[in-house]
Amino acid sequence: EPEVTQTPSHQVTQMGQEVILRCVPISNHLYFYWYRQILGQKVEFLVSFYNNEISEKSEIFDDQFSVERPDGSNFTLKIRSTKLEDSAMYFCASTTQGSEQFFGPGTRLTVL
Amino acid sequence: AQTVTQSQPEMSVQEAETVTLSCTYDTSENNYYLFWYKQPPSRQMILVIRQEAYKQQNATENRFSVNFQKAAKSFSLKISDSQLGDTAMYFCAFRAVSGGSNYKLTFGKGTLLTVNP
Repeated sequence: EPEVTQTPSHQVTQMGQEVILRCVPISNHLYFYWYRQILGQKVEFLVSFYNNEISEKSEIFDDQFSVERPDGSNFTLKIRSTKLEDSAMYFCASTTQGSEQFFGPGTRLTVL
Repeated sequence: AQTVTQSQPEMSVQEAETVTLSCTYDTSENNYYLFWYKQPPSRQMILVIRQEAYKQQNATENRFSVNFQKAAKSFSLKISDSQLGDTAMYFCAFRAVSGGSNYKLTFGKGTLLTVNP
């Protein structure tokens, strides 16, 4: 069964460093998402991506964040200069126009 | 904007018994989807069940069923014959149908369910 994959599973970085989180969505999906979950809190929408552009972003997704689909298979989230409060679990998800979003296993980002 | 409220931060149930998790939501949309996702300690998000708002019949998946009350904007999850593997955080989520190019999910804060042996 096709699945969404994410790498790395855990990323540790120093404050101020750039990180890139990678996702490979399901191959025939057209809509891609990043969500964030700070430990013990709810899952929050960051950004949606369709037709090679951002379709919506939340207030969390400021200028420090960017997304890219560089090669037709990968979908990346870049944080330019990480802050302590960026420490969270980051989930990638994808879907067709159907109802269900398929989530990856997540990347745990720890900013020291 | 939509909001999803889960008023039970934690619940517990004895193995083999039945438990109901509550969820209410607020929206001006007429057509939408509602979901329950399970997040075990591994933190993987797993879809448990979904409900289309235009369907009056409540969705059922094996031991999991929902009670969808559209007028009351209520969407509860019933787990029958609870098993130890059901121990997890459960999130209720909302998605509008008419999202244009965006079908983002809005989640509640979650209910931590513990199944006791």
